[in-house]
Amino acid sequence: GAGVSQSPSNKVTEKGKDVELRCDPISGHTALYWYRQRLGQGLEFLIYFQGNSAPDKSGLPSDRFSAERTGESVSTLTIQRTQQEDSAVYLCASSPRTGGSYNEQFFGPGTRLTVL
Amino acid sequence: SQKIEQNSEALNIQEGKTATLTCNYTNYSPAYLQWYRQDPGRGPVFLLLIRENEKEKRKERLKVTFDTTLKQSLFHITASQPADSATYLCALARGGFGNEKLTFGTGTRLTIIP
Repeated sequence: GAGVSQSPSNKVTEKGKDVELRCDPISGHTALYWYRQRLGQGLEFLIYFQGNSAPDKSGLPSDRFSAERTGESVSTLTIQRTQQEDSAVYLCASSPRTGGSYNEQFFGPGTRLTVL
Repeated sequence: SQKIEQNSEALNIQEGKTATLTCNYTNYSPAYLQWYRQDPGRGPVFLLLIRENEKEKRKERLKVTFDTTLKQSLFHITASQPADSATYLCALARGGFGNEKLTFGTGTRLTIIP
C-alpha cells in the first residue's frame, strides 16, 4: 500500500517568506508527527497529532511554526518569516497508535527546505 | 535535561563481523525503545522495538538489548553485509496514551567494509 508522502520534496525560499509543507499519512493512521532534521543531526520532535485530541505542540521552536491536521488525514506545517536556521529536512511520520499499544512510526521521505 | 547519546558518530566494521551500536540515556524513564535505520536522503525505517520489561529482542540478524539499570541499549547486527551500511538511530518514548512521541539520538553512521 501507499506509504507516507510529503510535498514538495525540495523547497528553496528567501529569508522572510512563508512556506507550507504537506504530509499525507497512511490511511487509517490516527497519529501524525512532524520532526526536523538538521544536517548531520538526529531528529528533533516538533508536533504530534493523535486523533481528535489537542495536538502536542511542545517541540515547536517558535511561534513562527504552526501545524494543522484535517481530521485523520492531511497535515500542513507552516513556517512564517523563514530564517536561515530553519534550513533542514522536515520529516513527517504516521502511526496506527491508539491508546495502550506501542507502534512503530512510518516516515515519509521528507521535505528539504533551504532558506537563502 | 533529557539526553540520548549514541556511542559514536561513525563505525567501520569488516564484512561478516558483528556490529554493535550503543545508545545511552540520562534523565529519562522510557517505557520502550526503538531502533531505526536511515539511508541518505530518506526517512528512517523502523527495525525493532523493545519494552522496558524486556531484556532482549531478536529479528533475523538483528538483536537489541535493553538494560534499564545501566540506562543503555545495545544494537547488534551479526554476519554484517555491505548493504547494512546506513545510519542507525535509537529513539525512546515514555509510552502511554499521549506520550508516544519519540526522542531520537543523533545516530551512528555504520559502514560495512567488504
